[in-house]
This record gives sequence, structure tokens and C-alpha cells, in this order.
Amino acid sequence: KQEVTQIPAALSVPEGENLVLNCSFTDSAIYNLQWFRQDPGKGLTSLLLIQSSQREQTSGRLNASLDKSSGRSTLYIAASQPGDSATYLCAVSPNSGYALNFGKGTSLLVTP
Amino acid sequence: DAGVIQSPRHEVTEMGQEVTLRCKPISGHNSLFWYRQTMMRGLELLIYFNNNVPIDDSGMPEDRFSAKMPNASFSTLKIQPSEPRDSAVYFCASSQGARMETQYFGPGTRLLVL
Repeated sequence: KQEVTQIPAALSVPEGENLVLNCSFTDSAIYNLQWFRQDPGKGLTSLLLIQSSQREQTSGRLNASLDKSSGRSTLYIAASQPGDSATYLCAVSPNSGYALNFGKGTSLLVTP
Repeated sequence: DAGVIQSPRHEVTEMGQEVTLRCKPISGHNSLFWYRQTMMRGLELLIYFNNNVPIDDSGMPEDRFSAKMPNASFSTLKIQPSEPRDSAVYFCASSQGARMETQYFGPGTRLLVL
């Protein structure tokens, strides 16, 4: 069974810092990997989707990388802002089946 | 587009009562997913529909849970009878395809069973 782990569980940084969130998965037979953002009391918003054949995706200040062979992905946030404060979730889609397997998330707090 | 719409946003009920959660997916999306989120277990897929047909219901915890999608614009998740351990946030998500495409999540229904 696919296990998705996110480290750290919580992170607090001052505004302006660059930061990296980590995601690891146990089964490298994935179809794609997604990073989501969840604000308190809200649903999930997709940030980046990386197909298994891709190495990275970028959107604005966000960059996500994927190393399928080692079962790792990172989400890099440049020049963090207080508005980036949220929980970030990593999810992998298996080669067979449809269930996205989610990590438990990293709770990020960016202080002014 | 209004995005994925879920109702109610909050539900408080007593153990043994029937609970019905509702979802309207984004127009044109042919895949619909029901998820449950708890602190202990995180986000888990309950059931997946494609073109209104249930494809994978292996995540449905037990017979007390049932889901329907009578048409492309409406789905329900029913719990009967409800139990305190069903307390969670239930999300509905939709996408244009099952796997290639991004899933768009609704705001969720926060369920508390007393």
C-alpha cells in the first residue's frame, strides 16, 4: 500500500525566506504527483501537478520537483509571504486505480 | 464557474440519525470523488464516479455508507445510521478526467455526530 510522508509536519519562517517542503512515497509506480494548498476551514486548491515523466513544474514563486526513482518530491517556495500560510498536501496517483494517496500535510506559518 | 458546491457546510446530528451530504460538480467534469478528512487518518478516498457510474468504492468504510450520482450535476453521500466515529470533514471533488487532470475540491461538509 502506498504510504506518503510529509516532513516537517509544521514549519514557521519569517517573511521573505525561501523554503522547501518535502514529500516521500514508498511505491515509485505513480502516474502523477500533485501539491495542494488547504486554508483553514476550506477545501483544497491544486498548486502543481507533475506527470511521472516530468522532473519539475513551476508556477510563479512555486517550484515542485519529482524524483520518482527515489520516491521523493519537494515544493520550493521562494520569497515567502504571510499569505502563503496554509497547510500544504502532497498526493500521488497510482499507475493502477484512481485513489489519490495523500500525505498528512505540512502546516506552514509565515510571520511578518 | 462557481466551482464544486457542497451542502450543507456544517451538520450536527445525533448518533443513529441519517445524514445526507450533497455535491454539485463543475459543469463538464465527468469524474467525481468523495473524500473524508480526519486528523488521525488524513484525507482518504471513499468513492469515485466516472460518467455517473461508481468505478471504485473500495474506500467506503462499511454498509452504513452509500453514494449515488443520478445525473452529471448531482451526487449524494448518505450515512445511515450515523456514529460518532463518522465525525469528519467530507469533501467532494471533480475533474475532467480521472487521472490526468487536476481535481477541484469543494469547501467540504463538516460533520459532527454526537
